[in-house]
Amino acid sequence: ETGVTQSPTHLIKTRGQQVTLRCSSQSGHNTVSWYQQALGQGPQFIFQYYREEENGRGNFPPRFSGLQFPNYSSELNVNALELDDSALYLCASSARQGNTEAFFGQGTRLTVV
Amino acid sequence: AQSVSQHNHHVILSEAASLELGCNYSYGGTVNLFWYVQYPGQHLQLLLKYFSGDPLVKGIKGFEAEFIKSKFSFNLRKPSVQWSDTAEYFCAVNSNSGYALNFGKGTSLLVTP
Repeated sequence: ETGVTQSPTHLIKTRGQQVTLRCSSQSGHNTVSWYQQALGQGPQFIFQYYREEENGRGNFPPRFSGLQFPNYSSELNVNALELDDSALYLCASSARQGNTEAFFGQGTRLTVV
Repeated sequence: AQSVSQHNHHVILSEAASLELGCNYSYGGTVNLFWYVQYPGQHLQLLLKYFSGDPLVKGIKGFEAEFIKSKFSFNLRKPSVQWSDTAEYFCAVNSNSGYALNFGKGTSLLVTP
């Protein structure tokens, strides 16, 4: 186990709804990144948070947003869900921002119907 | 555009066979290179990483990888695979100036008894 925990493990939502996914980072890690892994694909970077601020973002629309809390846990929020948002959402924590080893959680499987 | 290519999407090997999975990247400048493994139902785990120094890196479970800068490659090898190596393998690249891990599409490895 990596010490990175995500909740919930599975979620079913209806198109147009909003969803919040949660991540607790590994002890001592102040950086959290979120990734989307569609079926049969590699993870794609959504954004990274360092000390409660977003400091890097991938090619995802603004309806994907996030938060990081003082204890370094994090949330991923997705508004106006679309069918293509169905994927495994992975959280990764690391000891510092930028290039360093990332430890992944088991992910949240989101299905949009 | 920056990209990571994994040449083999599906590989089937018999136990004790040798394994080599290809990974090429297109990035300028200094890069950090990773191989992650995802066993069925489990989280992404780091197999090995290259930041600098000896281009031949050894990881867990008998895996190794060689960074060949002139070929922009970071191929994963194992001399003798076991049934328990059945998993999805992802190559990932992070540039020194970037925040994100950029993953390849993955290679699904099936090892038959």
